[in-house]
Amino acid sequence: DAGITQSPRHKVTETGTPVTLRCHQTENHRYMYWYRQDPGHGLRLIHYSYGVKDTDKGEVSDGYSVSRSKTEDFLLTLESATSSQTSVYFCAISESGERGGVVTEAFFGQGTRLTVV
Amino acid sequence: KNEVEQSPQNLTAQEGEFITINCSYSVGISALHWLQQHPGGGIVSLFMLSSGKKKHGRLIATINIQEKHSSLHITASHPRDSAVYICAVIPIQGAQKLVFGQGTRLTINP
Repeated sequence: DAGITQSPRHKVTETGTPVTLRCHQTENHRYMYWYRQDPGHGLRLIHYSYGVKDTDKGEVSDGYSVSRSKTEDFLLTLESATSSQTSVYFCAISESGERGGVVTEAFFGQGTRLTVV
Repeated sequence: KNEVEQSPQNLTAQEGEFITINCSYSVGISALHWLQQHPGGGIVSLFMLSSGKKKHGRLIATINIQEKHSSLHITASHPRDSAVYICAVIPIQGAQKLVFGQGTRLTINP
């Protein structure tokens, strides 16, 4: 299995509190992603990173921020959690192949189930 | 309209049946992934394809880049194959971001 771990795996938090989810990889992959998975919506990209300190927004970035100070860690922060952010969050990593711009492999973490009450 | 469409959305079959899940996409891609997710579980990449066909055990994946279509086949299906299967494409223009289909929920009954 690829070396990618998410923490925590489960969390219940109250509306209005800040929450940080951590994704840690040991593969030295350049690209890291945070997705949320909701019934009826599939996987949707929140934010992604293409290098240390290089991040960009995905399709559902409102209410979320990210940081990547080291290759191996990608943090997702909910500044002030809301019930609409109750979801399962997946981190993924990927790397380009010999052709440069082509992602040739992708690995996913086990997911974090977040409940905002 | 989603850029990636899977069919069927749900599929129930008997053990031993031959299973086909389809994925159509509307953008130019550099590669396509087939992913598997068991209930309550993580997501595992089964195949990455950029052309032709790949086989791993009872799983076969094919892709036709010109027709923008891929299929995942399972031969001699087994209850442990019950999972959600997700097609994800890597658009040529998309800064390394995967675009996902909605998933196909497969249930294999003994």
